[in-house]
Amino acid sequence: QKEVEQNSGPLSVPEGAIASLNCTYSDRGSQSFFWYRQYSGKSPELIMSIYSNGDKEDGRFTAQLNKASQYVSLLIRDSQPSDSATYLCAVPNTGGFKTIFGAGTRLFVKA
Amino acid sequence: DAGVIQSPRHEVTEMGQEVTLRCKPISGHNSLFWYRQTMMRGLELLIYFNNNVPIDDSGMPEDRFSAKMPNASFSTLKIQPSEPRDSAVYFCASSWQGLETQYFGPGTRLLVL
Repeated sequence: QKEVEQNSGPLSVPEGAIASLNCTYSDRGSQSFFWYRQYSGKSPELIMSIYSNGDKEDGRFTAQLNKASQYVSLLIRDSQPSDSATYLCAVPNTGGFKTIFGAGTRLFVKA
Repeated sequence: DAGVIQSPRHEVTEMGQEVTLRCKPISGHNSLFWYRQTMMRGLELLIYFNNNVPIDDSGMPEDRFSAKMPNASFSTLKIQPSEPRDSAVYFCASSWQGLETQYFGPGTRLLVL
């Protein structure tokens, strides 16, 4: 089992729809969770962080965390073509100083 | 704030040559990371420095790779000798404290022929 798993996609949604991106992780001791967005040919940039169970909202983005299920998700409401990118789930491990990145989910938002 | 600065942005070299990638982290950050990204393997951590000291280099693929951080504002990743399988995008990232938000540089696209 990979330490951080994501569906590679591509996930295709129509403009205005909700895009749901999922991530599972194996380290039960992980305390912080990050979502990065990476446009093609660009570097990853942080869009959301979450530390507690439940939901955290920031504009059109909502991160959801369920530590019991070792599951973190990212919802994008009112998806726009500009949201088309690869979304990386990142989870720092508790055994050291390493942040493990998932393989990323490619999202396409169709106009 | 200039962000993380990497150079060169693109590098094309021939197999066997030495390649040196450079990184200037964001001022005030005390953690620096070197990553490699390929389609096949995704984003892989190569090495992590904290306060200029290498903490975890378990991701360095082999002895051909070496990294240094002589001071808080500069780091290098060296590949000697380079091989075609080293072709990838190499990112440098920095953060205030190791596991907090990482800020990525624009990357160096390396092609080894």
